[in-house]
Amino acid sequence: AQSVTQLDSQVPVFEEAPVELRCNYSSSVSVYLFWYVQYPNQGLQLLLKYLSGSTLVESINGFEAEFNKSQTSFHLRKPSVHISDTAEYFCAVSESVGSKSTFGDGTTLTVKP
Amino acid sequence: KAGVTQTPRYLIKTRGQQVTLSCSPISGHRSVSWYQQTPGQGLQFLFEYFSETQRNKGNFPGRFSGRQFSNSRSEMNVSTLELGDSALYLCASSPSPGTGYEQYFGPGTRLTVT
Repeated sequence: AQSVTQLDSQVPVFEEAPVELRCNYSSSVSVYLFWYVQYPNQGLQLLLKYLSGSTLVESINGFEAEFNKSQTSFHLRKPSVHISDTAEYFCAVSESVGSKSTFGDGTTLTVKP
Repeated sequence: KAGVTQTPRYLIKTRGQQVTLSCSPISGHRSVSWYQQTPGQGLQFLFEYFSETQRNKGNFPGRFSGRQFSNSRSEMNVSTLELGDSALYLCASSPSPGTGYEQYFGPGTRLTVT
């Protein structure tokens, strides 16, 4: 069975600092990986996804994540965060054989001025 | 395209009552999933429907049920409400179930049980 572990429940950083949100997964088959973001009082929105090909994927607002098969990780990074990046971030995995997505417990990113 | 819509957005019920929540997926999406989100338990999968059939079910008691209609709209029902059912209920749609498709989430229905 697939599972997802987000290693940090809370990450406080100062504006313009770099940030890394860590995600590890467990699966016995090939997987698809996703990062979603949830702003206060809203549903989740897709930030980026890895399906195949290049292991480094990028979002339009400066986030990137790298799929590392040997370490079964999909960490999310941004070199310089803004106040508006304050939100909860969820890592999700979907196995390649027609199963539901499994979500991590979420990481709350708080960007301070 | 219009996004996923959920009604109602907010709901207050009393213990023992039942509640029905509604979800309209993005036009053309045939897969609908439901999640319960609470501060203590995070995001927990309830069930997934595709073509009016339940494909997957999470680890919730039988008080939680759902269905999908021929137009892909979905409802979930919770009977005999308990205080612990207070949560944000999220609906998500995708073109097809599972593999590789990202999910598009609605804003959620916030249920408060008193």
